[in-house]
Amino acid sequence: DAKTTQPNSMESNEEEPVHLPCNHSTISGTDYIHWYRQLPSQGPEYVIHGLTSNVNNRMASLAIAEDRKSSTLILHRATLRDAAVYYCILYGGATNKLIFGTGTLLAGQP
Amino acid sequence: EPEVTQTPSHQVTQMGQEVILRCVPISNHLYFYWYRQILGQKVEFLVSFYNNEISEKSEIFDDQFSVERPDGSNFTLKIRSTKLEDSAMYFCASSPLHNSYEQYFGPGTRLTVT
Repeated sequence: DAKTTQPNSMESNEEEPVHLPCNHSTISGTDYIHWYRQLPSQGPEYVIHGLTSNVNNRMASLAIAEDRKSSTLILHRATLRDAAVYYCILYGGATNKLIFGTGTLLAGQP
Repeated sequence: EPEVTQTPSHQVTQMGQEVILRCVPISNHLYFYWYRQILGQKVEFLVSFYNNEISEKSEIFDDQFSVERPDGSNFTLKIRSTKLEDSAMYFCASSPLHNSYEQYFGPGTRLTVT
């Protein structure tokens, strides 16, 4: 199973951007980069995914390095409601299961 | 916006009893999943289901576990004889297609085995 590495925790300031990094140096050509988050006492929630190009949606942006060995989830204006564990997951190929790591705990600062 | 629903939100059962956890996936989705999360630990994959059969399962999903889509809308997880270590949050998820597509998770059922 392809692995990802994320910082254990980060802090964000209210209404300011936050960049959550993820390393995935062993990514294969068929792996998509998915990001999910889990708010306290809730189920995981899909955030965004991409393959090679940068992606934007209403929740966030995903910047993917040219060699695809790393990516960054960008929350443009983080609020206290974005406090959650953020998971970077490689997904694709022969499997259709999500393999969750420990993720990054994003703590908000008012 | 359509969502995955799960019932009950909390189930308490005695060790050795059978439990059935229920999920209603998003209506036009084709793939269905169960995951679990023991308190304070990672979310773990249990099983995926497509076209009325299991497409993949983890080592956790042993003979005590089974899944079923009995009526075209519900998706159930049955644990035949519960153990204390089955206590966890159980999340159902569904996706329109597999591989590159996002999975939508339900709110979970908290299972407590006493």
